[in-house]
Amino acid sequence: DVKVTQSSRYLVKRTGEKVFLECVQDMDHENMFWYRQDPGLGLRLIYFSYDVKMKEKGDIPEGYSVSREKKERFSLILESASTNQTSMYLCASSIQSDRETRGYTFGSGTRLTVV
Amino acid sequence: QQQVKQSPQSLIVQKGGISIINCAYENTAFDYFPWYQQFPGKGPALLIAIRPDVSEKKEGRFTISFNKSAKQFSLHIMDSQPGDSATYFCAATMRNTGNQFYFGTGTSLTVIP
Repeated sequence: DVKVTQSSRYLVKRTGEKVFLECVQDMDHENMFWYRQDPGLGLRLIYFSYDVKMKEKGDIPEGYSVSREKKERFSLILESASTNQTSMYLCASSIQSDRETRGYTFGSGTRLTVV
Repeated sequence: QQQVKQSPQSLIVQKGGISIINCAYENTAFDYFPWYQQFPGKGPALLIAIRPDVSEKKEGRFTISFNKSAKQFSLHIMDSQPGDSATYFCAATMRNTGNQFYFGTGTSLTVIP
């Protein structure tokens, strides 16, 4: 089974702190994604990456950055955490195929609370 | 703007009934339409998916109906069970670099015993 592992299930951080959320996948997937999930808003894409050192902005990149130094690892960085970044953060990965589209595999999520 | 619109936001169904969740999209380039199921405290998991060259796909009690001309697709859960209580997301994507998915806003399904 493909596994996408997020390093923390729950995090509590203070306003202004720099926060790192880590995600690791073990199936050699090219594509990796960070979403945040909020009630009534569904899943919103923050950033994604389709190759090492490549990154693309999603729909809500403001206040976030990402790093992908190795294929299996995709990190989300909150440069200066704010209370409106309190949310569930989901990492996902997928195969890049020119022949057909494939589904995502999600991690279990990190629930971040900024106080 | 929302590329995939999902309804209803919440749904309550009696055990044994049929649950129906609807989604609509605008981009005709989309070529893959999955449904994800999410239980509390877990990440979404792929439930069933369809490509636009077929009008229906069935896996056990779960069926996707796809209407290409109307740009709509729906999830039907037959003989709904309390264990089906979860949040369901539809999504759409197209074959391209990055394989970005566009998600609906989710439907919270509660199946009453």
